[in-house]
Amino acid sequence: ILNVEQSPQSLHVQEGDSTNFTCSFPSSNFYALHWYRWETAKSPEALFVMTLNGDEKKKGRISATLNTKEGYSYLYIKGSQPEDSATYLCAFKDSNYQLIWGAGTKLIIKP
Amino acid sequence: GAVVSQHPSRVICKSGTSVKIECRSLDFQATTMFWYRQFPKQSLMLMATSNEGSKATYEQGVEKDKFLINHASLTLSTLTVTSAHPEDSSFYICSARDVPNTYEQYFGPGTRLTVT
Repeated sequence: ILNVEQSPQSLHVQEGDSTNFTCSFPSSNFYALHWYRWETAKSPEALFVMTLNGDEKKKGRISATLNTKEGYSYLYIKGSQPEDSATYLCAFKDSNYQLIWGAGTKLIIKP
Repeated sequence: GAVVSQHPSRVICKSGTSVKIECRSLDFQATTMFWYRQFPKQSLMLMATSNEGSKATYEQGVEKDKFLINHASLTLSTLTVTSAHPEDSSFYICSARDVPNTYEQYFGPGTRLTVT
């Protein structure tokens, strides 16, 4: 059974601090790893699509790394702002294009 | 960017009735649409995949007679929850893809279904 795990489940961070969280996924049949940002009552927003081992991607204060050999990806947020509060979802796509979602990390930024 | 809409955003219905949820791609043609449901504190669970003009492919454990999916055009897919029960109360979200097997899919804002 393919499983994608995200940790921690929730996270409270002081405004201005940096933070990171993890997505673990199967290390076999890898095709792509997606990160999404999801605010309540809004569509999930695509952050990154990562396909190659060692990939590092950056979008403003948010960046992500990928290790396909050991099956993990980190998402980093530098200098957290209140607008960063959201649930961050990762999704693993295997070689059959099957997409398997993690349960998300709920990030709450405290002013 | 590509926009996907869902209607309604919230619906409350009585047990035993049917509810239809629409998913539309507004500025692109969606060859494939996906329907997910999410229970509180759980990940998105894929219910079914539909390709325009063909029957939907349901995931294991999803009753196709209960969750009717129609993808009659390249911009519209519908999910009908038939004979709804309180345990069907959930958040239903659709996504759409415009080119087969590409990385990106675009999500609708979701529909909160409450069955009383």
